[in-house]
Amino acid sequence: EAQVTQNPRYLITVTGKKLTVTCSQNMNHEYMSWYRQDPGLGLRQIYYSMNVEVTDKGDVPEGYKVSRKEKRNFPLILESPSPNQTSLYFCASRPPGQGGYEQYFGPGTRLTVT
Amino acid sequence: EDQVTQSPEALRLQEGESSSLNCSYTVSGLRGLFWYRQDPGKGPEFLFTLYSAGEEKEKERLKATLTKKESFLHITAPKPEDSATYLCAVNYGGATNKLIFGTGTLLAVQP
Repeated sequence: EAQVTQNPRYLITVTGKKLTVTCSQNMNHEYMSWYRQDPGLGLRQIYYSMNVEVTDKGDVPEGYKVSRKEKRNFPLILESPSPNQTSLYFCASRPPGQGGYEQYFGPGTRLTVT
Repeated sequence: EDQVTQSPEALRLQEGESSSLNCSYTVSGLRGLFWYRQDPGKGPEFLFTLYSAGEEKEKERLKATLTKKESFLHITAPKPEDSATYLCAVNYGGATNKLIFGTGTLLAVQP
């Protein structure tokens, strides 16, 4: 089954404790991205990757890191999480094309930072 | 300021009662407008892409249309299973390639 998977699905952590949220897709997509979703603010892009070893900042990259060493994986790293990073996070991928955003989203990771 | 606004925020319909959701945008250099459906506890699911004014796309009870300033998602004779949050997103920009999501319309269809 074609899908985007994320782990963990739920995470409660404390301020300053480094964490990684994994994302993997089995559709051989070049483009992958991370979003956070907050009430009243909609989905906002954190980072994106056009292909392996190429990543770039989205609209809200502060406090996050990413890496893209393999085509299928795109982990999101929070080096020192803070309470304002409490949010619902989505990973997404899309096939190559003319710049469209017909993205496939993962199931989401609900992160709480206390 | 570049932005995407969806209205209404929430909509409650009776089964079979047709209606429309609105997505208005103020961006320059529209590349595409996208509609997604999001069920509770799940990631958004892609529905439609519209690229130019006058374009229309249909899927079952849903029909998306696009003008120069807004898009409509028409829902004809909705069923309870159409209940979800519908998100609109706009890809725009010349040299830069940006994407903005609206905050969504929460649709509840009652039997």
